[in-house]
Amino acid sequence: GNSVTQMEGPVTLSEEAFLTINCTYTATGYPSLFWYVQYPGEGLQLLLKATKADDKGSNKGFEATYRKETTSFHLEKGSVQVSDSAVYFCALRPDGTGRRALTFGSGTRLQVQP
Amino acid sequence: GAVVSQHPSRVICKSGTSVKIECRSLDFQATTMFWYRQFPKQSLMLMATSNEGSKATYEQGVEKDKFLINHASLTLSTLTVTSAHPEDSSFYICSAPGSGASSYEQYFGPGTRLTVT
Repeated sequence: GNSVTQMEGPVTLSEEAFLTINCTYTATGYPSLFWYVQYPGEGLQLLLKATKADDKGSNKGFEATYRKETTSFHLEKGSVQVSDSAVYFCALRPDGTGRRALTFGSGTRLQVQP
Repeated sequence: GAVVSQHPSRVICKSGTSVKIECRSLDFQATTMFWYRQFPKQSLMLMATSNEGSKATYEQGVEKDKFLINHASLTLSTLTVTSAHPEDSSFYICSAPGSGASSYEQYFGPGTRLTVT
């Protein structure tokens, strides 16, 4: 079956530090890959996505590249801010349209200190 | 963008009672909605797929008689936790896929925190 593995947190960084959150997946075919962010007390928000190999998703300074050869979709940001403190979820959706449920990783809590 | 709402956002109930959680797509129609459960500091686990006009599809290990799902219209799905027990305390989240050009997207509700005392 499908699965997503992401690094355990919490990840604690100082403001302006470089961020990497690792994510690897197992799936058949060509899934779509996503990063969602959950701020304290709020629901999930789509951060970025990639729908095919070598696609790079980007948003708000965050980037992730769909690497089929390594089955990875690592999240990166060059300079984090305190406002980036949240829980980040890597997720995949099997082939096809959005009418398939997502499989989520366990989430990684990011804490950015001033 | 598309918005999914959930009501209530928080609910506290006594053990043995039933609780209904609503999930609404506010500006689009959703023939399918998904219900997830999120335990503290853990990931979201798919509970069931709600289908408008037909029975819900439950994931393995999810008791369909305990977690009743009704997809009453193209914009509303409800999850009823029957005879709730403290172990049912959790964060319940629904999502709905977009339509048309947004069919690749899934939109998540803000979640409902259920506490069973």
